Amino acid sequence: EIVMTQSPATLSVSPGERATLSCRASQSVGSNLAWYQQKPGQAPRLLIYGASTRATGIPARFSGSGSGTEFTLTISSLQSEDFGVYYCHQNNNWPPWTFGQGTKVEIK
Amino acid sequence: EVQLVQSGAEVKKPGESLRISCQGSGYNFPTNWIGWVRQLPGKGLEWMGIIFPSDSDTRYSLSFQGQVTISADKSNSTIYLHWSSLKASETAMYYCACTTAGKGLVWGQGTMVTVSS
Repeated sequence: EIVMTQSPATLSVSPGERATLSCRASQSVGSNLAWYQQKPGQAPRLLIYGASTRATGIPARFSGSGSGTEFTLTISSLQSEDFGVYYCHQNNNWPPWTFGQGTKVEIK
Repeated sequence: EVQLVQSGAEVKKPGESLRISCQGSGYNFPTNWIGWVRQLPGKGLEWMGIIFPSDSDTRYSLSFQGQVTISADKSNSTIYLHWSSLKASETAMYYCACTTAGKGLVWGQGTMVTVSS
């Protein structure tokens, strides 16, 4: 099983500042990496797929980079509505596809 | 628009059986992998298993093998998650999610399952 490790566990950022979230895979997943945002009481929402492609309707302040085992999600200028838990996800190998444990983004 | 609609919340007693459902629309249901993700209260996301509705090829995570059954009815664009004997520790939110030609996952709204005596 591919283990996805996210860091940090919690990120506290002031509005307007940059937020950088990391995700590391225990073995290469190529570019088969996506990022999701989940708010309390809601299903996860797709932000980025293919490591760097923004999903439909996702603001340009969200960007993804990386390949292989190291990936980054950057929120260039944090908005108050960006709070939540962010998960990376690989679907390169089954069994099984795997999620990271999540990074909680708090608004300072 | 791709959409997944799940069945409603359930409250069950330990030992009871349960089947929940997820119906897809707006895409080629038979030829896209779709599966179930568990989220325990306050915890992260775990894949339980996936199914390819066209031929019902089903794959389970080791943790869930033998604990649940995933099935599909491609004529109704629906997948199911079945427990034969629920445990209190299976109280969780269950999401269905499908792949769409490599463009990330589309999610259902979630089904809360509460198992309590």
